[in-house]
Amino acid sequence: DAKTTQPPSMDCAEGRAANLPCNHSTISGNEYVYWYRQIHSQGPQYIIHGLKNNETNEMASLIITEDRKSSTLILPHATLRDTAVYYCIVRSTGNQFYFGTGTSLTVIP
Amino acid sequence: DVKVTQSSRYLVKRTGEKVFLECVQDMDHENMFWYRQDPGLGLRLIYFSYDVKMKEKGDIPEGYSVSREKKERFSLILESASTNQTSMYLCASSLPGGQQETQYFGPGTRLLVL
Repeated sequence: DAKTTQPPSMDCAEGRAANLPCNHSTISGNEYVYWYRQIHSQGPQYIIHGLKNNETNEMASLIITEDRKSSTLILPHATLRDTAVYYCIVRSTGNQFYFGTGTSLTVIP
Repeated sequence: DVKVTQSSRYLVKRTGEKVFLECVQDMDHENMFWYRQDPGLGLRLIYFSYDVKMKEKGDIPEGYSVSREKKERFSLILESASTNQTSMYLCASSLPGGQQETQYFGPGTRLLVL
């Protein structure tokens, strides 16, 4: 699986958009980008995934650059409950997800 | 909504005890997984199963075994618990789908071995 690089921490004001970046410069053509988050002491929660096109669901939007070497997860209106560690994962064929250290997002009132 | 449940949120056991961690999913998923999560090490795969009575070793199977007698249930067994097995244990399930195989996680069991 391709390696991902994320900033270790970010802050966001409540009600503003949170933009979480991820670099995956070694991604190959058939690898998907997945985002999960983990609220303290809970299991990881699936957010969204994509291959080439931008994706949106009820939780977030995923923007993937045209060269697919980076992506951004957007939480459009961050709330305090969005405070969590966010993991960007590049997934190829295989049996597991490789979670790195992720980005610790703190939403500030 | 996919629901993955784990039998305990917190568990305290003594060294040498046999420990059973149970995981149940209600979405008829073929695939089930057991991970452990430790600070600085991320999630590491212990065992997984693609079907009833089937099991495959992950990256760190030593000291663990698993059982999958029914499709919805996947058990992790610590044959003789040791202090280095103190960890957060996470169960996940998914449909088979290759690279699009989204895994759904349970709430986790925090195990302390004294």
